[in-house]
Amino acid sequence: DQQVKQNSPSLSVQEGRISILNCDYTNSMFDYFLWYKKYPAEGPTFLISISSIKDKNEDGRFTVFLNKSAKHLSLHIVPSQPGDSAVYFCAAMSGGAQKLVFGQGTRLTINP
Amino acid sequence: DAGITQSPRYKITETGRQVTLMCHQTWSHSYMFWYRQDLGHGLRLIYYSAAADITDKGEVPDGYVVSRSKTENFPLTLESATRSQTSVYFCASSESTGTAYGYTFGSGTRLTVV
Repeated sequence: DQQVKQNSPSLSVQEGRISILNCDYTNSMFDYFLWYKKYPAEGPTFLISISSIKDKNEDGRFTVFLNKSAKHLSLHIVPSQPGDSAVYFCAAMSGGAQKLVFGQGTRLTINP
Repeated sequence: DAGITQSPRYKITETGRQVTLMCHQTWSHSYMFWYRQDLGHGLRLIYYSAAADITDKGEVPDGYVVSRSKTENFPLTLESATRSQTSVYFCASSESTGTAYGYTFGSGTRLTVV
Protein backbone atom coordinates (compact mmCIF):
# COMPACT_ATOMS: atom_id res chain seq x y z
CA ASP A 1 0.00 0.00 0.00
CA GLN A 2 1.82 3.06 -1.32
CA GLN A 3 0.77 5.95 0.91
CA VAL A 4 2.86 8.48 -1.00
CA LYS A 5 2.93 8.27 -4.78
CA GLN A 6 4.97 10.00 -7.42
CA ASN A 7 3.44 8.81 -10.66
CA SER A 8 6.02 10.30 -13.01
CA PRO A 9 9.28 8.31 -12.91
CA SER A 10 11.03 10.93 -15.02
CA LEU A 11 10.67 14.50 -16.25
CA SER A 12 12.71 16.43 -18.80
CA VAL A 13 12.67 20.25 -18.82
CA GLN A 14 14.56 22.86 -20.74
CA GLU A 15 16.95 25.11 -18.83
CA GLY A 16 15.25 28.32 -17.74
CA ARG A 17 11.76 26.86 -17.84
CA ILE A 18 9.60 25.80 -14.91
CA SER A 19 9.84 22.25 -13.54
CA ILE A 20 6.76 20.88 -11.81
CA LEU A 21 7.01 17.67 -9.83
CA ASN A 22 3.87 16.09 -8.45
CA CYS A 23 3.06 13.92 -5.47
CA ASP A 24 -0.15 12.36 -4.16
CA TYR A 25 -0.84 10.86 -0.76
CA THR A 26 -3.59 8.75 0.72
CA ASN A 27 -3.15 9.07 4.50
CA SER A 28 -5.18 12.00 5.84
CA MET A 29 -3.16 11.85 9.08
CA PHE A 30 -0.09 13.25 7.36
CA ASP A 31 0.53 16.77 8.56
CA TYR A 32 4.02 17.53 7.31
CA PHE A 33 5.38 17.16 3.81
CA LEU A 34 8.95 17.40 2.58
CA TRP A 35 10.89 17.25 -0.65
CA TYR A 36 14.33 15.72 -0.87
CA LYS A 37 16.83 15.92 -3.68
CA LYS A 38 19.25 13.12 -4.44
CA TYR A 39 22.34 13.07 -6.62
CA PRO A 40 23.95 9.77 -7.71
CA ALA A 41 26.13 8.10 -5.06
CA GLU A 42 24.96 10.55 -2.40
CA GLY A 43 22.30 10.47 0.29
CA PRO A 44 19.08 12.45 -0.11
CA THR A 45 19.28 16.06 1.07
CA PHE A 46 16.44 18.15 2.43
CA LEU A 47 15.08 20.73 -0.01
CA ILE A 48 11.85 22.28 1.28
CA SER A 49 8.93 21.41 3.53
CA ILE A 50 5.38 22.49 4.21
CA SER A 51 3.05 22.07 7.14
CA SER A 52 -0.54 21.04 6.56
CA ILE A 53 -1.72 24.36 7.98
CA LYS A 54 -0.24 26.12 4.94
CA ASP A 55 -0.96 25.81 1.24
CA LYS A 56 2.28 27.30 -0.05
CA ASN A 57 5.89 27.62 1.02
CA GLU A 58 8.57 29.36 -0.99
CA ASP A 59 12.35 29.27 -0.75
CA GLY A 60 14.20 31.01 -3.53
CA ARG A 61 13.59 29.16 -6.79
CA PHE A 62 11.65 26.41 -5.03
CA THR A 63 7.96 26.55 -4.11
CA VAL A 64 5.86 23.75 -2.69
CA PHE A 65 2.08 23.83 -3.00
CA LEU A 66 -0.25 21.72 -0.90
CA ASN A 67 -3.86 20.91 -1.80
CA LYS A 68 -5.22 19.03 1.18
CA SER A 69 -8.66 18.39 -0.26
CA ALA A 70 -7.06 16.65 -3.24
CA LYS A 71 -4.28 15.11 -1.13
CA HIS A 72 -1.81 16.48 -3.62
CA LEU A 73 1.37 18.47 -3.44
CA SER A 74 3.69 19.81 -6.06
CA LEU A 75 7.19 21.24 -6.21
CA HIS A 76 7.85 24.10 -8.62
CA ILE A 77 11.37 25.01 -9.63
CA VAL A 78 11.76 28.23 -11.57
CA PRO A 79 13.92 28.91 -13.40
CA SER A 80 15.30 25.39 -13.81
CA GLN A 81 19.07 25.07 -13.87
CA PRO A 82 21.35 22.20 -14.98
CA GLY A 83 22.36 21.60 -11.35
CA ASP A 84 18.74 20.77 -10.59
CA SER A 85 19.09 17.49 -12.48
CA ALA A 86 18.61 14.87 -9.78
CA VAL A 87 16.05 12.47 -8.34
CA TYR A 88 13.41 14.20 -6.23
CA PHE A 89 11.58 12.39 -3.46
CA CYS A 90 8.36 13.51 -1.91
CA ALA A 91 7.92 12.47 1.76
CA ALA A 92 5.24 12.81 4.40
CA MET A 93 4.86 12.29 8.10
CA SER A 94 2.31 12.61 10.85
CA GLY A 95 4.05 14.74 13.49
CA GLY A 96 3.66 12.33 16.35
CA ALA A 97 5.09 9.37 14.46
CA GLN A 98 8.42 10.94 13.44
CA LYS A 99 8.61 8.46 10.54
CA LEU A 100 8.95 9.73 7.00
CA VAL A 101 7.09 7.86 4.25
CA PHE A 102 8.64 8.39 0.83
CA GLY A 103 7.35 8.30 -2.71
CA GLN A 104 9.07 6.40 -5.51
CA GLY A 105 10.99 9.41 -6.75
CA THR A 106 11.03 11.41 -9.99
CA ARG A 107 14.20 11.79 -12.03
CA LEU A 108 14.43 15.38 -13.27
CA THR A 109 16.69 16.17 -16.20
CA ILE A 110 17.36 19.78 -17.15
CA ASN A 111 18.42 20.13 -20.77
CA PRO A 112 20.60 23.03 -21.94
CA ASP B 1 34.12 15.42 11.34
CA ALA B 2 30.58 16.13 12.40
CA GLY B 3 27.84 14.38 10.48
CA ILE B 4 26.48 10.97 9.74
CA THR B 5 28.75 8.32 8.26
CA GLN B 6 28.01 4.91 6.85
CA SER B 7 30.42 2.07 6.29
CA PRO B 8 31.27 0.33 4.12
CA ARG B 9 30.30 2.32 1.01
CA TYR B 10 30.23 -0.84 -1.10
CA LYS B 11 29.87 -4.46 -0.08
CA ILE B 12 29.55 -7.71 -2.00
CA THR B 13 28.52 -10.76 -0.01
CA GLU B 14 27.32 -14.28 -0.67
CA THR B 15 23.85 -15.63 -0.09
CA GLY B 16 23.49 -16.93 3.46
CA ARG B 17 26.28 -14.81 4.94
CA GLN B 18 25.76 -12.44 7.81
CA VAL B 19 26.68 -8.84 7.08
CA THR B 20 26.53 -5.70 9.21
CA LEU B 21 26.19 -2.18 7.91
CA MET B 22 27.43 0.54 10.21
CA CYS B 23 26.01 3.98 10.89
CA HIS B 24 27.51 6.64 13.14
CA GLN B 25 26.27 10.17 13.87
CA THR B 26 27.99 12.90 15.83
CA TRP B 27 25.05 15.18 16.65
CA SER B 28 23.54 13.10 19.47
CA HIS B 29 20.27 13.03 17.56
CA SER B 30 17.60 11.00 19.32
CA TYR B 31 16.13 9.36 16.23
CA MET B 32 17.93 7.12 13.77
CA PHE B 33 16.55 5.27 10.78
CA TRP B 34 17.46 2.67 8.19
CA TYR B 35 15.98 2.86 4.69
CA ARG B 36 16.57 0.84 1.57
CA GLN B 37 16.27 2.33 -1.90
CA ASP B 38 15.02 0.18 -4.74
CA LEU B 39 13.93 1.14 -8.23
CA GLY B 40 10.18 1.63 -8.36
CA HIS B 41 9.83 1.62 -4.58
CA GLY B 42 11.66 4.74 -3.55
CA LEU B 43 12.90 4.70 0.02
CA ARG B 44 11.34 2.18 2.38
CA LEU B 45 11.82 2.18 6.14
CA ILE B 46 13.42 -0.95 7.58
CA TYR B 47 13.88 -0.09 11.26
CA TYR B 48 14.06 3.02 13.36
CA SER B 49 15.11 3.99 16.86
CA ALA B 50 13.78 6.76 19.08
CA ALA B 51 16.66 6.55 21.58
CA ALA B 52 19.33 4.19 22.82
CA ASP B 53 17.88 0.72 23.52
CA ILE B 54 14.58 1.65 21.84
CA THR B 55 14.00 0.23 18.36
CA ASP B 56 10.94 -0.52 16.27
CA LYS B 57 10.05 -2.09 12.94
CA GLY B 58 9.36 -0.14 9.82
CA GLU B 59 7.71 -1.16 6.59
CA VAL B 60 10.15 -3.92 5.50
CA PRO B 61 11.90 -5.37 8.60
CA ASP B 62 12.01 -9.08 7.67
CA GLY B 63 15.54 -10.47 7.48
CA TYR B 64 17.10 -7.53 9.32
CA VAL B 65 18.19 -6.97 12.92
CA VAL B 66 19.18 -3.70 14.58
CA SER B 67 20.61 -2.62 17.89
CA ARG B 68 21.32 0.70 19.52
CA SER B 69 23.42 0.40 22.64
CA LYS B 70 24.85 3.91 22.17
CA THR B 71 23.06 7.02 20.93
CA GLU B 72 25.56 7.62 18.14
CA ASN B 73 25.58 4.14 16.57
CA PHE B 74 22.83 2.22 14.81
CA PRO B 75 24.13 -0.91 13.04
CA LEU B 76 21.96 -2.92 10.66
CA THR B 77 22.59 -6.66 10.39
CA LEU B 78 21.41 -9.00 7.69
CA GLU B 79 21.44 -12.33 9.50
CA SER B 80 21.41 -14.52 6.38
CA ALA B 81 21.68 -12.40 3.26
CA THR B 82 19.41 -13.10 0.28
CA ARG B 83 19.54 -11.76 -3.27
CA SER B 84 16.38 -9.75 -2.63
CA GLN B 85 18.36 -7.73 -0.11
CA THR B 86 20.60 -6.37 -2.85
CA SER B 87 19.92 -2.65 -2.52
CA VAL B 88 21.29 0.71 -1.50
CA TYR B 89 20.93 1.26 2.23
CA PHE B 90 20.66 4.70 3.81
CA CYS B 91 20.97 5.59 7.44
CA ALA B 92 19.44 8.83 8.70
CA SER B 93 19.10 10.75 11.94
CA SER B 94 16.92 13.55 13.28
CA GLU B 95 16.32 15.56 16.40
CA SER B 96 13.17 14.69 18.26
CA THR B 97 11.54 17.89 17.07
CA GLY B 98 13.12 18.04 13.64
CA THR B 99 9.98 17.94 11.55
CA ALA B 100 10.82 21.19 9.77
CA TYR B 101 13.92 19.71 8.20
CA GLY B 102 13.20 16.02 8.32
CA TYR B 103 16.19 13.80 8.42
CA THR B 104 19.86 14.04 7.60
CA PHE B 105 21.01 11.08 5.53
CA GLY B 106 24.32 9.33 5.20
CA SER B 107 25.90 8.69 1.81
CA GLY B 108 24.61 5.14 1.62
CA THR B 109 25.95 1.59 1.39
CA ARG B 110 25.53 -0.28 -1.87
CA LEU B 111 25.10 -3.95 -0.99
CA THR B 112 25.19 -6.72 -3.57
CA VAL B 113 24.25 -10.26 -2.57
CA VAL B 114 25.48 -12.89 -5.02
